[in-house]
Amino acid sequence: TQLLEQSPQFLSIQEGENLTVYCNSSSVFSSLQWYRQEPGEGPVLLVTVVTGGEVKKLKRLTFQFGDARKDSSLHITAAQPGDTGLYLCAGAQPNSNSGYALNFGKGTSLLVTP
Amino acid sequence: SQTIHQWPATLVQPVGSPLSLECTVEGTSNPNLYWYRQAAGRGLQLLFYSVGIGQISSEVPQNLSASRPQDRQFILSSKKLLLSDSGFYLCAWTDRYGYTFGSGTRLTVV
Repeated sequence: TQLLEQSPQFLSIQEGENLTVYCNSSSVFSSLQWYRQEPGEGPVLLVTVVTGGEVKKLKRLTFQFGDARKDSSLHITAAQPGDTGLYLCAGAQPNSNSGYALNFGKGTSLLVTP
Repeated sequence: SQTIHQWPATLVQPVGSPLSLECTVEGTSNPNLYWYRQAAGRGLQLLFYSVGIGQISSEVPQNLSASRPQDRQFILSSKKLLLSDSGFYLCAWTDRYGYTFGSGTRLTVV
């Protein structure tokens, strides 16, 4: 069972466009993280959100955690070719006994063309 | 600063051969360590995690095993590889704020 559903699965846009990717679940998470992964590399942590309704900004990236802590979104303004990659969301469930082990979505593959 | 080393980067192994992937962490003590596998078009699947030396928990039944002989060393093994073991294997450690992943091992079983 996939706890976290990410959409869209694939996204191809031109440089300068804005985009939003979504991460949804029926489960509540104590925290949610976004990662960016380039081909042949491990994912790199972008942000962790822990409070319902929280909004965090990282340059042109805006992350939002849903009020009920079941969903999240990532908005990129004026996308650049360097934003190309696989964006993964991952959630930590409350009372997990696996030492912060996360549930990962399948990811959104973003391609930004010049 | 904390760093994580994972090797080899790529590996091609025949079916039925053994496997040993190694992961070491520097700059932290008593880390929580994880092995994930990422198949094409799929998210990361947790295979094993360890909260201390000799403590291994398995999340998915399979022909893989893990060991933690030292505080900052985590090893993924198999006695006989299957074709279905092909994938991208990632080691990671974490604090409560997020994961730091190694650069991964691309395993192809032929």
